[in-house]
Parts: sequence; C-alpha cells; structure tokens
Amino acid sequence: DIQMTQSPSSVSASVGDRVTITCRASQDIGSWLAWYQQKPGKAPQLLIHAAFTLKSGVPSRFSGYASGTDFTLTISSLQPEDSATYYCQQANSFPLTFGGGTKVAIK
Amino acid sequence: EVQLVQSGAEVKKPGESLKISCEASGYTFSNFWIGWVRQVPGKGLEWVAIIYPRDSDAQYSPSFQGQVTISADKSIRTAYLQWTSLKASDSAIYYCTRHASGTYEAHYWGQGTLVTVSS
Repeated sequence: DIQMTQSPSSVSASVGDRVTITCRASQDIGSWLAWYQQKPGKAPQLLIHAAFTLKSGVPSRFSGYASGTDFTLTISSLQPEDSATYYCQQANSFPLTFGGGTKVAIK
Repeated sequence: EVQLVQSGAEVKKPGESLKISCEASGYTFSNFWIGWVRQVPGKGLEWVAIIYPRDSDAQYSPSFQGQVTISADKSIRTAYLQWTSLKASDSAIYYCTRHASGTYEAHYWGQGTLVTVSS
C-alpha cells in the first residue's frame, strides 16, 4: 500500500499569512494526488486534483505543487473561511489512501 | 448538477445487518466510479471501497475487505454499502463519493450517513 505522510498535523496562522501543507508519498504516484478541505460537521470537498488543478470555483489563493513524491498545498493569503482540516489522497492505485490531515486554525 | 443523497442515520446493535444507500443524479451513473469513505468522528478519512456501476468492478481497502460489501443498482442510480454483522468499531460517518472520469479522485461527496452500533 502507498503511505501518505502529511505534515504538519496542525498549524495556526494569521489572516493574510501564507500557509503550506506537505504530503509525501511512499512511492511514485505521478501527479495522481488530490487535496480536500473539510469544515467541522461537513463533508469534505475537493480543492485540487491531479496535483495542480484547482476544481472550478475554488479561490485562486489555493495552489498545488509536486516534486517527485513530495506534494504541497499552499494558501497564499489565509482567510477566515479557510479554517478547516485539509487532507491529501493518492489516486494512483488501489488501495486509495489519505494523509492524516492538517488542521488549519486562525490566530 | 451532480448530487449524491445518502440515506439517514442508523442506530444498530452489534451483530445486526445494515445497508446504507447513496442515490446519484445529474450525470450518467454507469460511467463513473462511485465509492465510500469512512470517518470516525474526530478522526481522519479512510477509504473503504469503490465500484464501477457499468460492470460492477469493485475494489476494497484491505482493512475493509470481507467486512463490507459495495454494490450498485443502475436502474435506480443508487450505490450501497452493506454489513452482515455489525461491530461497535463500525460506528462512524460514511461518505459516498463520485470520482472523475478516468481517475480515482473524489470530485463529489454525499452529505454523510452516521452509523452508530451500540448494545
């Protein structure tokens, strides 16, 4: 199975700050990586697919990057509505696997 | 507009059986993978299983293989997840997911079904 190691597990930042979340895959997954946002009491929602591609309607302050087996989600200017937990997921092969999640809080 | 509407919350006793559902609309049901993700409240996301309704090809997480069964009924555009003998450890929220064409990324999610197993 492909393991997804996500870090940090939590981050607290101020409005306007740049926030970066990292996921490392245990083996090559190409660009088959998705990022999801989950707000308390709600279902997760897709933010980014294929490592780089924003889902339609997602604000442009979100971006994805990949280098080998390392993937990053960046929020360029944190907004209050970005307070949520973020998960990565490899979509390269079965079994599909998620990272452990990163809780983003606003200071 | 793609919509996934899941069945309501369930409270069951250990050993009972259960089948939860996910009714899809807004797209050609047969042509897209549809699956399930588990989340114990306060914990992370766990992939359970996925099925391609056109030919019923199903894949399971090793953690759930043999514990649950995924199925789909094309005639009523509905996917299911079922248990024959529930355990307390099955208590969680189960999300239905629809994947994009040619990928296993979950582009759409249902609202979740809370399953509580308690004696």
